[in-house]
Amino acid sequence: KQEVTQIPAALSVPEGENLVLNCSFTDSAIYNLQWFRQDPGKGLTSLLLIQSSQREQTSGRLNASLDKSSGRSTLYIAASQPGDSATYLCAVRSIQGAQKLVFGQGTRLTINP
Amino acid sequence: NAGVTQTPKFQVLKTGQSMTLQCAQDMNHEYMSWYRQDPGMGLRLIHYSVGAGITDQGEVPNGYNVSRSTTEDFPLRLLSAAPSQTSVYFCASSYGTANEKLFFGSGTQLSVL
Repeated sequence: KQEVTQIPAALSVPEGENLVLNCSFTDSAIYNLQWFRQDPGKGLTSLLLIQSSQREQTSGRLNASLDKSSGRSTLYIAASQPGDSATYLCAVRSIQGAQKLVFGQGTRLTINP
Repeated sequence: NAGVTQTPKFQVLKTGQSMTLQCAQDMNHEYMSWYRQDPGMGLRLIHYSVGAGITDQGEVPNGYNVSRSTTEDFPLRLLSAAPSQTSVYFCASSYGTANEKLFFGSGTQLSVL
């Protein structure tokens, strides 16, 4: 059974810092991994999707990497801003049970002005 | 650009009452799903559908029914509400399942007293 873990559960950094959020998964037989952002009281917004054949994806100040063999992904946020404050979740779509995304519990990020 | 629309946003029920959470998408997505989000448990899949007339169970289907009579709509029915069903419910959709981003609605906060 696929399990997804995100550490730390919460992170607070000053504005302007570059930071890395971590995601690990137990079964490397995956189709893809997605990173989502969730603002308080809101739904989830997909930020980046990395297919299993890819090593990284970039969108603006965000860069997500995937190391399938080690079961790890990172989300790198450059030059953080207070508007980046949110909860970030990763989710994995396994080859077995491909209809179901398995989510981590998220990292709550606070960027202090 | 409506995307995925969920109604209602908030609902309070008494134990034993039934209700339907509505979900509609205007993106012609084949895949639709329902998740519940609970503190400490993350997002868990309740039911999903890969197209009109086709539904299947997710991780936590007990106490919930779904149907998919059209591509656009995917209602979630609570048959006899229980306090354990107090949660935030999210509907999500995508074009397919293999390598497609998932689009979420804004959620329904349900309290069962």
